[in-house]
Amino acid sequence: KNEVEQSPQNLTAQEGEFITINCSYSVGISALHWLQQHPGGGIVSLFMLSSGKKKHGRLIATINIQEKHSSLHITASHPRDSAVYICAVGRGGGADGLTFGKGTHLIIQP
Amino acid sequence: SQTIHQWPATLVQPVGSPLSLECTVEGTSNPNLYWYRQAAGRGLQLLFYSVGIGQISSEVPQNLSASRPQDRQFILSSKKLLLSDSGFYLCAWSVGSWHEQFFGPGTRLTVL
Repeated sequence: KNEVEQSPQNLTAQEGEFITINCSYSVGISALHWLQQHPGGGIVSLFMLSSGKKKHGRLIATINIQEKHSSLHITASHPRDSAVYICAVGRGGGADGLTFGKGTHLIIQP
Repeated sequence: SQTIHQWPATLVQPVGSPLSLECTVEGTSNPNLYWYRQAAGRGLQLLFYSVGIGQISSEVPQNLSASRPQDRQFILSSKKLLLSDSGFYLCAWSVGSWHEQFFGPGTRLTVL
């Protein structure tokens, strides 16, 4: 069993829909990261959170430490949101390198 | 502002040839540095991290090595590439442990 599980693996939705991507983890963490990977491969950090909720524009990330679960929400989705969204956890210790989920491939159709 | 550079952007190498990928960070001092790899059809995996010059920690056994000869320079090397070394290599930095990580543009390596 992977230490970080994401669902769904693939998601296709219509423009304007509310999107939810889920992440569960099975290990102790220092923080949870949500990343966005564009088709060319570049990765952008969206959020780092260790408790509660964060919001940036149309993106919202929540984490429940007791349940070891996090969600990434996109409101009023747009075709430019199409990308792979990756959940990763910091394991603490050392330099706190990340352990990654396999990603959710999101396509927003106009 | 801080920026992170990687080169080359793409690389095609024969099996058994050596490898050197370079990563440099600008605009910050004493960053944590990381090498990650994304193999085809697989998720990202941490390969090496460094908290200072000359300090390298390896996460997985492999025929790759890393070095940090200067504060903001991180190099990934191999003496003899294997087919399984093909993938997308990403360098990242953070101001310290338990902080957000920022990724470079990546190097796409194909070993033939």
